[in-house]
Amino acid sequence: AQTVTQSQPEMSVQEAETVTLSCTYDTSENNYYLFWYKQPPSRQMILVIRQEAYKQQNATENRFSVNFQKAAKSFSLKISDSQLGDTAMYFCAFMKGTGANSKLTFGKGITLSVRP
Amino acid sequence: DVKVTQSSRYLVKRTGEKVFLECVQDMDHENMFWYRQDPGLGLRLIYFSYDVKMKEKGDIPEGYSVSREKKERFSLILESASTNQTSMYLCASRRWYEQYFGPGTRLTVT
Repeated sequence: AQTVTQSQPEMSVQEAETVTLSCTYDTSENNYYLFWYKQPPSRQMILVIRQEAYKQQNATENRFSVNFQKAAKSFSLKISDSQLGDTAMYFCAFMKGTGANSKLTFGKGITLSVRP
Repeated sequence: DVKVTQSSRYLVKRTGEKVFLECVQDMDHENMFWYRQDPGLGLRLIYFSYDVKMKEKGDIPEGYSVSREKKERFSLILESASTNQTSMYLCASRRWYEQYFGPGTRLTVT
């Protein structure tokens, strides 16, 4: 079974600074996807960024980028130029393939606070 | 835009009541999911469905059942609600690797 570990329960960052959220996972699969989801306070969970395991290039979405280390099974999220709207809970997630019975396995999440 | 809607944002029920949580998606997604979210435990999968009338147990199915009679609708049923089922319930739908979540239902069982 796959496991996803987010070891830091909380982090805080000053507005405009850069912060990195850590995630490690364990799997014996070779074809999988990794995700970061964001859940703002009292709001809907949304996808931040996705990484396909077969791609060596790290995914980037505007101020959000990942550091994907396949051999180390590490998938960290870097948020540059942090904004107050980045305050949220962030979940790292793993999915094996995209078949009918594929499902996401989530980490326990990290609460990120951006200070003005 | 994909929309996943849930019937209630907040719900208060009494112990022993039968509770229905409804979820509807408008993008013709095959896969639908029910999670519960508790502080310090993250999201845990209760049940999922990959087609109409098809369902599979997730990690914590005990005390729950589901129904999927139409592709767009996936219902979570608590046959006899208990206080340990007080939680946030999230519905989601997915096609390929894109999964979308509903706003959640905060259920309190007293």
